[in-house]
Amino acid sequence: SQQGEEDPQALSIQEGENATMNCSYKTSINNLQWYRQNSGRGLVHLILIRSNEREKHSGRLRVTLDTSKKSSSLLITASRAADTASYFCATDPNQAGTALIFGKGTTLSVSS
Amino acid sequence: DGGITQSPKYLFRKEGQNVTLSCEQNLNHDAMYWYRQDPGQGLRLIYYSQIVNDFQKGDIAEGYSVSREKKESFPLTVTSAQKNPTAFYLCASSIGPGSKNIQYFGAGTRLSVL
Repeated sequence: SQQGEEDPQALSIQEGENATMNCSYKTSINNLQWYRQNSGRGLVHLILIRSNEREKHSGRLRVTLDTSKKSSSLLITASRAADTASYFCATDPNQAGTALIFGKGTTLSVSS
Repeated sequence: DGGITQSPKYLFRKEGQNVTLSCEQNLNHDAMYWYRQDPGQGLRLIYYSQIVNDFQKGDIAEGYSVSREKKESFPLTVTSAQKNPTAFYLCASSIGPGSKNIQYFGAGTRLSVL
């Protein structure tokens, strides 16, 4: 079952602009993670935010989490062509022995 | 180099044939996972294993089988019962369930039907 739903499905921007992707989920979570996938490759972990955190930064990435609305956003500032990839949110459900649940992803295209 | 290795990169299956995808990790992780990814889609969980000699079905286990005889290895067999096996298969590992269950992924195997 896919718990995370990213929005938008696709996003096209120019280099230097900011990119914002949103993720909604359904059940209570331990944490929420964002991953990146370059075309035809495996996923790479970007950032993790715990359920008791509201905002986290890592370089040009900023993640927010609103557990009351069951939603998260990923902001990439000053985008570069190399940021072109698909971005997935994944939730770690608050249930023992369960795996991460991935959404369908947002495809970001950054043109120079 | 520490990491997770999937092989082969490309695999072709004939009608009625079983094929096995390899996944090996040297990260000393307890948990390993298999996902299927169809074009433009997210990841769907096939099987996962939290410890050696134990594994659980994911959302789309039908037509697939796994084994976990060693901590380092988690091979996936796509059986002839899987009628639509064409997809990108991703293996991942993590330290284990808990508050920081970060997954590390291999480069994937692309399976096609001849």
